Amino acid sequence: DQQVKQNSPSLSVQEGRISILNCDYTNSMFDYFLWYKKYPAEGPTFLISISSIKDKNEDGRFTVFLNKSAKHLSLHIVPSQPGDSAVYFCAALRGSYDKVIFGPGTSLSVIP
Amino acid sequence: DAGVIQSPRHEVTEMGQEVTLRCKPISGHNSLFWYRQTMMRGLELLIYFNNNVPIDDSGMPEDRFSAKMPNASFSTLKIQPSEPRDSAVYFCASSLILGRAEAFFGQGTRLTVV
Repeated sequence: DQQVKQNSPSLSVQEGRISILNCDYTNSMFDYFLWYKKYPAEGPTFLISISSIKDKNEDGRFTVFLNKSAKHLSLHIVPSQPGDSAVYFCAALRGSYDKVIFGPGTSLSVIP
Repeated sequence: DAGVIQSPRHEVTEMGQEVTLRCKPISGHNSLFWYRQTMMRGLELLIYFNNNVPIDDSGMPEDRFSAKMPNASFSTLKIQPSEPRDSAVYFCASSLILGRAEAFFGQGTRLTVV
């Protein structure tokens, strides 16, 4: 039973446009969320995070939005660049010292 | 720091053989995680350690899987005997502390069991 879901296995976006990657979770106890990016033949790298006390966190071209009532978060990339092409993993945890649960990932392709 | 170092990068073995994957975490990091990535299940947490002590191994799929962390700079994940369905990419990651700290991943070990 997946507690963190990313229902779109893949997404294609034109360079310069907005990329929106979605993530849903089932465990209402999750209170911290992270996004990781993974290039082929490399390990995932941390991208951005958000605490449940916020509904938005921004870092340059990357913004994460959290809708607690819907148990949904999204990652916006504006503008999208070809170098953003990667697999994006949504992750969640409960409390300060719990384990991180990852979603299955969404493969983003940014077309030049 | 060189980051999290995993070895080997690739491993091809025959069904029934023992496989040992190795990991050197980032110096000073207190938490270490073993993940498995497959197409079907994405990134699964197998086991994690804090201060060299296993905290949660509920993700280990079967008794054929075992992990150790004899000291702060080394961990192993062993599969004995290996089966074709164990074929996957295995990642080791470390973080300063458990929970909200950013985890740093190694490059992974691609295991193929034939």
